[in-house]
Formats: sequence, structure tokens, C-alpha cells
Amino acid sequence: QVQLVQSGAEVKKPGASVKVSCKTSGYTFTDHFIHWVRQAPGQGLEWMGWTNPNTGGTHYAQKFQGRVTMTRDTSITTVYMEVTRLTSDDTAMYYCARGPTSYDLLTGYRLDYWGHGILVTVSS
Amino acid sequence: SSELTQDPAVSVALGQTVRITCQGDSLRRYYASWYQQKTRQAPVLVMYGENNRPSGIPERFFGSKSGNTASLTITGAQAEDEADYYCNSRDSSGYYYVFGTGTKVTVL
Repeated sequence: QVQLVQSGAEVKKPGASVKVSCKTSGYTFTDHFIHWVRQAPGQGLEWMGWTNPNTGGTHYAQKFQGRVTMTRDTSITTVYMEVTRLTSDDTAMYYCARGPTSYDLLTGYRLDYWGHGILVTVSS
Repeated sequence: SSELTQDPAVSVALGQTVRITCQGDSLRRYYASWYQQKTRQAPVLVMYGENNRPSGIPERFFGSKSGNTASLTITGAQAEDEADYYCNSRDSSGYYYVFGTGTKVTVL
């Protein structure tokens, strides 16, 4: 079965960086983009960007360009996201989610499997 | 601010029908996908494309789109449908994805 297992909670100081992981299994890793979505406490969902595990290509929301880097390790079917220059506004739950294959896109874009989320707390 | 606008909250009597809407210019060109999020849980995909339900999602969930508005309708709402619902699609540029502002559904 498809699984996205995320790393554990993180506590960071302002100005620091955090790198979180998303270990995938149960499907062909290179067939599906992985998206990252975050949710600040009591707030809505915010799309951050995606990485293409096949090519390593990335696409970030304008808000995060220059501060977010998404990478992957195909040998262990894991994707990573690093966020730099953290502020208290980055305190949030961070989710990875699987996008459709290029074929599946014919029936509509969607994020069909999600990780359980990683709580990143930024506090001095 | 999100380019996809949803009503903050709606309520529905048990067994009745509720429609959740998502408005945005990009929806004239693109379909939305819909996600259900219960308290302290990860979002779950409930609808995508023209009207496609993932495996395991009850038939009482129905999707539609007209003009700049996408809708998720729940016919015969159940207590377990009480949750936050988010739409997701491309933004007006078509280059980025964006989530709607979210709708809290209360089942009375």
C-alpha cells in the first residue's frame, strides 16, 4: 500500500534552517511528483511547491522562492524539504503529498496520499 | 491571500444536503480537487476532476463546476462528514497551485 512517512517534530530557533523528510513506499517513486503543503496553527492549507523525483526538478510557490529547497534520494525513495532563515511565521505542520502521474492528470490533478505531517516549531 | 474563496462555515442538519463552494478566476480553466480535514489529522482527498471520487469515498459526495465556481455537495450528510473542507487548483496565472480559504462544515 502507498505510504508517505515523515520525519519527527522539530524545534528551531529563529534564523536557523530545518530539513524534513518524506519516505515513500508502495508505488513507483519516479512516477509521481511530491508536493509540500503547510498549515500554521488554526489556519488553512498553504501550497509550497513540488519536486519531480524522476528528474529532480522543482517548482516553488513565489512566497518561498529563495528560502525553500526540495530534493530527493531515489536510492531510498525519499524526498526532502529544507527551509532556511526560519521565523515564528514558519511554525506550522508540514505535509508531503503525492501528485498524479502524467497519465492520471487526464482525469484531474489531485494529491491522493498524504504524510501524517511534521510539526516545526520556531521559537527563541 | 488565497485566489480561491470559500465560505468560512456552513451547517447542515443530519441527513440533509449541503453544498460547499469555491470561487476563483482560474476555475474557468481548471478543475478543483477537494480535501476533507478532521481535527488534528492530515487532509484526505474526497473529489477531483469533473466528478471523480477516490476509492473509499462515499457516493454522497458529488463534485461540479460552473463558470468560476467549483462545488462539493454532500447529499444525506452524516455526523462523520463534520470537518474542514478545502478546494485546490491552479492560481490565475496557471503556474502555481493554491488552496481555498477553507469551509468548516458542522452537522447538526
